[in-house]
Amino acid sequence: QVQLQESGPGLVKPSGTLSLTCAVSGGSVSSDNWWTWVRQPPGKGLEWIGEIYPSGSANYNPSLKSRVTMSLDKSKNQFSLKLTSVTAADTALYYCARVDCRGSSCYPDYWGQGTLVTVSS
Amino acid sequence: QSVLTQPPSVSGAPGQRVTVSCTGNSSNIGANYDVHWYQQLPGTAPKLLIHSNNNRPSGVPDRFSGSKSGTSASLAITGLQAEDEADYYCQSYDNSLRARVFGTGTKVTVL
Repeated sequence: QVQLQESGPGLVKPSGTLSLTCAVSGGSVSSDNWWTWVRQPPGKGLEWIGEIYPSGSANYNPSLKSRVTMSLDKSKNQFSLKLTSVTAADTALYYCARVDCRGSSCYPDYWGQGTLVTVSS
Repeated sequence: QSVLTQPPSVSGAPGQRVTVSCTGNSSNIGANYDVHWYQQLPGTAPKLLIHSNNNRPSGVPDRFSGSKSGTSASLAITGLQAEDEADYYCQSYDNSLRARVFGTGTKVTVL
């Protein structure tokens, strides 16, 4: 059973950088899977942020692309998210998840519990 | 603003059948990209309910089923139970946005 756990500061100042890490257990970030970040503003729906593959290849939501960087640390079996120039609109529950692919059909199957990040001075 | 539109809410009595629609366009569902469904119980992370249009992961009751036609997809819940009260999201890929996209979400209420 793959388990994921997000960690990072719960409070970030406006114009600062949001940095989160997702620790993976019961599986390996080096496996043939994409690893993804999804966020959910309070009381609102889900938004795909992006995904990263063990090779380092990454895909980002075009609406966030200029501010997002994802990375992967195989030695620590974890992957990370950085979001720069944050505003109050970036306040959300941030989830990490593993992506399973059956051919061209890809979907997050295992999710972390989520971590709330609030952007405020 | 999501490109996949769902009704804000759907309700039904215990034992009834309810459906949740997910309407896209020619850049996502209509472009033959698969649709996946997630259940989000209050205060919890989303859980994969249906993948690749109509496939249930192990452990998901067969009361849940999915279908896709044209530019839309649907999630059906038969024999509605109180524990099914949750938010439901569809998800697919959009080749115009070059992004994975989620639906707007539907709250299912058991009367």
